[in-house]
Formats: sequence, structure tokens, C-alpha cells
Amino acid sequence: AQSVTQPDIHITVSEGASLELRCNYSYGATPYLFWYVQSPGQGLQLLLKYFSGDTLVQGIKGFEAEFKRSQSSFNLRKPSVHWSDAAEYFCAVGASFFGNEKLTFGTGTRLTIIP
Amino acid sequence: SAVISQKPSRDICQRGTSLTIQCQVDSQVTMMFWYRQQPGQSLTLIATANQGSEATYESGFVIDKFPISRPNLTFSTLTVSNMSPEDSSIYLCSGIDRDSGNTIYFGEGSWLTVV
Repeated sequence: AQSVTQPDIHITVSEGASLELRCNYSYGATPYLFWYVQSPGQGLQLLLKYFSGDTLVQGIKGFEAEFKRSQSSFNLRKPSVHWSDAAEYFCAVGASFFGNEKLTFGTGTRLTIIP
Repeated sequence: SAVISQKPSRDICQRGTSLTIQCQVDSQVTMMFWYRQQPGQSLTLIATANQGSEATYESGFVIDKFPISRPNLTFSTLTVSNMSPEDSSIYLCSGIDRDSGNTIYFGEGSWLTVV
């Protein structure tokens, strides 16, 4: 069965600084990987996804993530964070590309932005 | 992209009662899912909502407690039956949009508090 680990429960970053959120996955086949953001009191918004091809994936709001098979990682990055990026970030792995896209989520990383 | 709407967005429920959450998608989606997010935790898949047939439940979730319907490709309901305070959670509906590269979209969630 697949699993996702987000080692950092809470990260605090200064506004304008760079950001990297870690995600490690476990899955026997080619993983389908996602990053979602959940702002306070809101649902989930998809930031980006990786299915195949280029291992560096660009998403919305200036985020990107890099798939590294050798490290079983899919870390999320942003070169310069904004106060509005404060939220909970979830990494997820999908079971398959067609027919059974059940997601397994990590426990989330809460991002705090300080002025 | 698909837009997923859920009703109610929030509710406070009495112990022992049942509540039905509705999920409406603005376009046809192949698969729909229901997730639960307990306070301060990550998302856990409850079941896959199958059109015109019984839902497929994950381990730890049963039909008597969480009956699900999906009468067509754009609508599903989740009922939380005989609620207890432990059922206080966010319940999220999701769907797969094949026209958007198999992107998995989420509703904004239904925040239930059981008192």
C-alpha cells in the first residue's frame, strides 16, 4: 500500500524568503503525486501534480516541485513566499492513473509566514 | 476545470441524529470520492461513490454509518448516521475531471460539529 510522509509538521518562513516543503512517498509502481494547499477555513486547492515526463513540475501561485525517484521524494518549492501563502500543505500519492485514483495524503505541513 | 459544490458548508448537529451532505459537480466526472478530515489531521478516504451502485468503502468505514448515493455522474450524497462527537470533522467530496488531464478536484468541505 502507498504511504506519504511529510516530516515537517510546522515551518516558519520570513516573507520573501525561499521555501521547501518535504514529501517522501512509498509506492511499488510509478507514483502519481500531488500537492494541495488548504487555507484556514477552506477546502483543498490543487497546486500541482506529477504523472510522468519532466521531473520538475510547475504549479500555480509560483510553486514548483521536483520528483526524484532515487530519493522517493516530491518536494515543493517556492523562491519567494508571500504572506498569503500561509496555509496547510498536503502531499498526496495516487494509486493509479486510470480507474482508481484514490489518494493517500501525508499528515500535512503548516506554513507560517512572518513579516 | 471542474467546480465541486458541497452543502451544507457547516452545521452543528445533535448527538444521535443523521445528516446528509450533498456534492454537486458542474461537469461530468468519472469517479467521485468522499474523504474525512478530523480536527488537526490529514484526509482519510471514506469511500468511492459509484454511479448507480453501492459505494466501495475503505477499511474502517461501513455503509450503515456512512451511506452514500450517486444517482448520476454529477451528484453524490454522504450521510453521517447516528452521529457522535467523534464524527466532528470536515467531510470533503472529490471528483476526477478527465477533461483536465485526470486532475482530482475537491469541494470546499462540509464542517460538521456534533454536540
